[in-house]
Amino acid sequence: DAKTTQPNSMESNEEEPVHLPCNHSTISGTDYIHWYRQLPSQGPEYVIHGLTSNVNNRMASLAIAEDRKSSTLILHRATLRDAAVYYCILNTRGNSGGSNYKLTFGKGTLLTVNP
Amino acid sequence: DAGVIQSPRHEVTEMGQEVTLRCKPISGHNSLFWYRQTMMRGLELLIYFNNNVPIDDSGMPEDRFSAKMPNASFSTLKIQPSEPRDSAVYFCASSFRRLIGLLNTEAFFGQGTRLTVV
Repeated sequence: DAKTTQPNSMESNEEEPVHLPCNHSTISGTDYIHWYRQLPSQGPEYVIHGLTSNVNNRMASLAIAEDRKSSTLILHRATLRDAAVYYCILNTRGNSGGSNYKLTFGKGTLLTVNP
Repeated sequence: DAGVIQSPRHEVTEMGQEVTLRCKPISGHNSLFWYRQTMMRGLELLIYFNNNVPIDDSGMPEDRFSAKMPNASFSTLKIQPSEPRDSAVYFCASSFRRLIGLLNTEAFFGQGTRLTVV
């Protein structure tokens, strides 16, 4: 499975933008880049995903490098509720065919937001 | 929809006992995942189903672990016999996987079951 590399931790101030990097140099052409986050004592929560183009939704933006070997999750204005572990995941095709896939989580980045 | 529902939320059992964790996926979803999370190993994928069929169980640690999905609205993860090292938070997740094209929808996770084996 293609692997991702993220910093162990990052710190931000409230209401400032946050850029969370992810390296995935072995990404294959059909791998989607997914971001999830896990708030304390909760299950992971979907944030955003993309393939080649940058993506925006109500939670965040995803900037994907032209060679797709890295991506950045952007939180435009961090709040205290954004303090969580953020996971960058490659959506890998399953071996049994095109209709199956699985999400393999790494250690993620622990984001601390200071008031 | 109430989301992915897991039960029980907490389970404390003695070593050697059988433990059954339950999951009700979101209605209409055709993929279901069981994960285990510990401080040491993080989030590990144990098994996933597509259309009620187990597709990949390579993450199931031992024969003591088994998972079933008898229908689209229910799945169980059973540990028999349980051991202290099985103590962890177990998450169930579901998603909808389109059969045509490369479209992927997000996975929704339950609140988890915190299992303690003493």
